[in-house]
Amino acid sequence: AQTVTQSQPEMSVQEAETVTLSCTYDTSESNYYLFWYKQPPSRQMILVIRQEAYKQQNATENRFSVNFQKAAKSFSLKISDSQLGDTAMYFCAFMKHGTGNQFYFGTGTSLTVIP
Amino acid sequence: DVKVTQSSRYLVKRTGEKVFLECVQDMDHENMFWYRQDPGLGLRLIYFSYDVKMKEKGDIPEGYSVSREKKERFSLILESASTNQTSMYLCASSLSAPSGRNEQYFGPGTRLTVT
Repeated sequence: AQTVTQSQPEMSVQEAETVTLSCTYDTSESNYYLFWYKQPPSRQMILVIRQEAYKQQNATENRFSVNFQKAAKSFSLKISDSQLGDTAMYFCAFMKHGTGNQFYFGTGTSLTVIP
Repeated sequence: DVKVTQSSRYLVKRTGEKVFLECVQDMDHENMFWYRQDPGLGLRLIYFSYDVKMKEKGDIPEGYSVSREKKERFSLILESASTNQTSMYLCASSLSAPSGRNEQYFGPGTRLTVT
């Protein structure tokens, strides 16, 4: 079975600063995908960024980037130039390659951006 | 844009009632999922379906059943609601492609309170 661990239940960051959210996972699979999702207060969960395990290059999406360390089974999310709208729960998720597309989620990190 | 809708944002039911939660997606996705979200526990998979009339148990299926009679609709049923089923319920859908483009799209959630 796959497990995903987010060891930081809560974090805060000053507006315009940079913050890194950590995620580790455990799997015996060699081909898989990793995702970060964002859930703003009382709003829908949306995808922030994805990473394919076979790609060595770290994914980036505007102010969001990841540090993917396959050997260490680590997948952290860096948010640069934090904005008030980044305040949300962030979930790390793992999906193994193949049919079914079942996700395994971490327990989430609640991020607060302080003005 | 993919749209996943859920029949209710808020629902209050009494112990012992039969409860139906409906989810509809409009992008012809093969896979559909039901999760419950509780503080500190993240998202836990209740059931998922990868085709019409097909269903698979997730991590916490006890006390729940599902129905998928049409591709776009996936229903979660609480046969006899109990107070420990008070939670946020999230529906999601995804393509069945074995690629990194098969992220899950989420509905807005239904906050169910059982009294």
